[in-house]
Formats: sequence, C-alpha cells, structure tokens
Amino acid sequence: NAGVTQTPKFRVLKTGQSMTLLCAQDMNHEYMYWYRQDPGMGLRLIHYSVGEGTTAKGEVPDGYNVSRLKKQNFLLGLESAAPSQTSVYFCASTRQTGPRNTIYFGEGSWLTVV
Amino acid sequence: GNSVTQMEGPVTLSEEAFLTINCTYTATGYPSLFWYVQYPGEGLQLLLKATKADDKGSNKGFEATYRKETTSFHLEKGSVQVSDSAVYFCALEASGGGADGLTFGKGTHLIIQP
Repeated sequence: NAGVTQTPKFRVLKTGQSMTLLCAQDMNHEYMYWYRQDPGMGLRLIHYSVGEGTTAKGEVPDGYNVSRLKKQNFLLGLESAAPSQTSVYFCASTRQTGPRNTIYFGEGSWLTVV
Repeated sequence: GNSVTQMEGPVTLSEEAFLTINCTYTATGYPSLFWYVQYPGEGLQLLLKATKADDKGSNKGFEATYRKETTSFHLEKGSVQVSDSAVYFCALEASGGGADGLTFGKGTHLIIQP
C-alpha cells in the first residue's frame, strides 16, 4: 500500500525555471492538499482540491498553480521559480473531512531555488 | 479565522524526563484537534487526535486532553526516549470538517539527550 507518493523528492532549480511536483494517492481519496513547510512557520496551505477537476486557493497560493485531472493525482506547478519558493513541500489526502477522518501525508519534496 | 499556537523550541530534555508541549487554539464551535510528529527527513505522521471536549488521545506513551474551557490540547509523555527526538505539530480541523484541511501550529523541535 503506497499511500501518498510525491515526486521528485529533491530538486534544485535556477530562478525563472519551471517545474511540476506530482502527488499520487492510491486510497481513492476525494480531498488533496499541497502545503509548504518553512522554518518557524509550520505548514501553510498552498492549494487544495475537493475532488477530480476541482481546485481552490489556500493561504499562500501566489506563484503556484495546480491541477487535478485525475482523482488520484494532484500536480503543483511553479511557472517561474523564485528563491522565496525554496521550501519543503508536502502533499496530503483524505477521504472526507470531519471528526472520523484521517489526513495522510507524503514524505515531502525538498526544493531549492538558486 | 482559526489559529493554533504552540510553544516554540527547541525543547531539550534528558532521557526519561517528563515532557509537556503546550498547544492552544482559536476556533469557533468544536474543532477536532491533532498532534502530528515529523522525524528527521520524513513526512508528517499522525500521533494522536481528539474530536470532542474532554476526549483524551493517546499513542506511543504520549497523551493529550481536549480542554474546551482553556482551548488547549497539551502534549505530555511521562518518560521520553532519544527516539522521541522530532518536530511536533499541533493542528486543528474546523468544526464539522473543513474542505481546506488542517490549520497547523509552527511546530516544536524536541531534542532528547542520552
């Protein structure tokens, strides 16, 4: 059972380059999320999706785009990377929201923009 | 809006010491409360949760009680081990379940010395 898988795990980009982070889940979850983690800031929500074909902005969406063309995949794109986007990115998913729910996280993607 | 405040670290303790990591929250209604743990180089793992007032979540010797009157969810462990060294995040999910996932505290880095 793979759970939530993120690729790539590590990447170094030059300022202005573009890239896509892929999140895949094999649990048939409806909800998927992209967070970024920065020192002293905890995890902040970038974008999320409540189902296939839907996306919504989170707390810090600027500079990122997302797509959810297939239920199992949630892509995070950086069109023109900036050093401020150096961070650790976490994907998460859950079947439904509510008190009986558990949110599962991927192992993280370390991105450095130079 | 919702928010979570937890004590800043790093917190350094000796093995077998008693641990308390404070967490307080601001939210309307009755949110669900969580503690996640992140070991070095890994993603977030759910440690424990509580979904209603006076509930006690527990796992791996850790405990936390949902205190509505003080809006708190402090994490405790009676005797810590070196293997407990990690970053601990307190989080909440809005009452009734929020589509935009969890709100996280900034994290507390715990260091246990032999």
